[in-house]
Amino acid sequence: DTGVSQNPRHKITKRGQNVTFRCDPISEHNRLYWYRQTLGQGPEFLTYFQNEAQLEKSRLLSDRFSAERPKGSFSTLEIQRTEQGDSAMYLCASWGLAETQYFGPGTRLLVL
Amino acid sequence: GDSVTQMEGPVTLSEEAFLTINCTYTATGYPSLFWYVQYPGEGLQLLLKATKADDKGSNKGFEATYRKETTSFHLEKGSVQVSDSAVYFCALPNFGNEKLTFGTGTRLTIIP
Repeated sequence: DTGVSQNPRHKITKRGQNVTFRCDPISEHNRLYWYRQTLGQGPEFLTYFQNEAQLEKSRLLSDRFSAERPKGSFSTLEIQRTEQGDSAMYLCASWGLAETQYFGPGTRLLVL
Repeated sequence: GDSVTQMEGPVTLSEEAFLTINCTYTATGYPSLFWYVQYPGEGLQLLLKATKADDKGSNKGFEATYRKETTSFHLEKGSVQVSDSAVYFCALPNFGNEKLTFGTGTRLTIIP
């Protein structure tokens, strides 16, 4: 257990529905990262927060994706109008003074 | 931009065999280097890291040495166990925002 939690662990949805994932990082860590991992590939960066500010978004993050970290603690990642290509594992990581990212268990999304 | 090239898998070894998984990188400057491990159905766990040239990271019998001259960070273990079966990722952080760039991963299977 890395101390980073993600919910839900699994989500099955129908194409066109909206989904929201939550990440709770290690409490004293000020940075939070989201990655997406598709089958057989390494994780790819989506976005990150320093406290509550979203500082960078990848080109992978289309307009249907939005992420928030309202109080600089937990974060949510929402996907609107899901598509089958959104099926992936969504990973959250927190980063602190040890300069190492600690990953949560991930949320596996399947869009039917 | 930064990139990581990782030995393609899958790799299948017998228990107690010697393991090497190759990793080379391209980066600006001299970033820290990481190996992460992903067990089936789980998120990523940090296996080991090295923060500067000639550093050796080690954990659970695994080792990797940061070689600046060959831009490599190969993962080794002298005697693998069935419990080492997992996917291994080499990664490096981007300077400034610390977002990780991963290799494609190497799936390791150890047979008794």
